[in-house]
Amino acid sequence: EVQLQQSGAELGKPGTSVKLSCKVSGYNIRNTYMHWVNQRPGKGLEWIGRIDPANGNTIYAEKFKSKATLTADTSSNTAYMQLSQLKSDDTAIYFCAIWLSYWGQGVMVTVSS
Amino acid sequence: DVVMTQTPVSLSVAIGQPASISCKSSQSLVGTSGKTYLNWLLQRPGQSPKRLIYLVSKLDSGIPDRFSGSGSETDFTLKISRVEADDLGVYYCLQGTHFPYTFGAGTKLELK
Repeated sequence: EVQLQQSGAELGKPGTSVKLSCKVSGYNIRNTYMHWVNQRPGKGLEWIGRIDPANGNTIYAEKFKSKATLTADTSSNTAYMQLSQLKSDDTAIYFCAIWLSYWGQGVMVTVSS
Repeated sequence: DVVMTQTPVSLSVAIGQPASISCKSSQSLVGTSGKTYLNWLLQRPGQSPKRLIYLVSKLDSGIPDRFSGSGSETDFTLKISRVEADDLGVYYCLQGTHFPYTFGAGTKLELK
């Protein structure tokens, strides 16, 4: 069974960074793309970008190019997303997903001083 | 970016009745491979999204055949033949043909 387990909720101060993790079991992430999606409170879904864990190649939505950094560690079958220069507007739930079919449970990131 | 326009914004349907959601894209979703990467997802309250349909009309594993997808180019439809209580939530269309991938704004299905 494919499962994606995301790290716990984060509280970050404005201007700082947080790094989220997404550990996959039941599937080798080398054989897929890892997508990240966010959802601001009460809003819809927004695609942030994806990484090919086999070679580290990334594609980002334009608005997240200087906000998010996607990485992956194939030895631990885990993907990561670092969010930098946090602003209150970054407060959201962040999901990881493979094939856009299997999704993590989501992690709440709250930006507050 | 490709704009995905979903209608209606909300839908109130009685159990056992059909439901239909439209999704229109601002440009063709036919990719260079000839495939059309149009997906439908359901997000139940408090849960992660769950993909129901991919490549316009292919049902994901475990999805009942009450759900069906159709359409081509820029015009797509999700139909539920007989709504059940478990179907409530927000439905999103998602295009994966052009970068960045983009979602529709969502259609909230409520039970009448």
